Amino acid sequence: NAGVTQTPKFQVLKTGQSMTLQCAQDMNHNSMYWYRQDPGMGLRLIYYSASEGTTDKGEVPNGYNVSRLNKREFSLRLESAAPSQTSVYFCASSDGTVLSYEQYFGPGTRLTVT
Amino acid sequence: EDQVTQSPEALRLQEGESSSLNCSYTVSGLRGLFWYRQDPGKGPEFLFTLYSAGEEKEKERLKATLTKKESFLHITAPKPEDSATYLCAVLTLYNFNKFYFGSGTKLNVKP
Repeated sequence: NAGVTQTPKFQVLKTGQSMTLQCAQDMNHNSMYWYRQDPGMGLRLIYYSASEGTTDKGEVPNGYNVSRLNKREFSLRLESAAPSQTSVYFCASSDGTVLSYEQYFGPGTRLTVT
Repeated sequence: EDQVTQSPEALRLQEGESSSLNCSYTVSGLRGLFWYRQDPGKGPEFLFTLYSAGEEKEKERLKATLTKKESFLHITAPKPEDSATYLCAVLTLYNFNKFYFGSGTKLNVKP
């Protein structure tokens, strides 16, 4: 059981470049999430997917797009990277039902935009 | 506005010196409150879920409690390996996919 996996672990981009962060979970969870974590600001929700085929905006969606490819995979795309998107990005998943709401996080992607 | 505040921002303890971390919340309706541990360079690791005032959960040296306005994470006789950042998050009744996180308490336990 790998849990939640993310690729890549580290990435450096130049302003204006694009990239896709990949996330996969093997816990058969319904819900998946993308967060960014900046010093002193805690975790902020970018987008989430409550089930396969659905996506919704979180607190800070501007500059990002997502795709829920199937139940296991949820990707985050930066179309035109900006220095303000320098951050650590975490993917998470949860069952998202009355049985279990807690989230399980991946190891993170450390992104620097120069 | 739904809000979560954690205090203190940082806490230094000697090994064996018990203390508590605070998570206060203002939400329109609480579905659950969650505690996570985060080690440097890693993703948050789930610790506890609390659903109603008066509920308590324990795991080794950690005990989480919940009231109608705040939660405490009590650390009894901490060890250096308890050093980490502790995050709390709340989930409201109105959207069971939007978690609101506090900015965390960084705990440092000295031997």
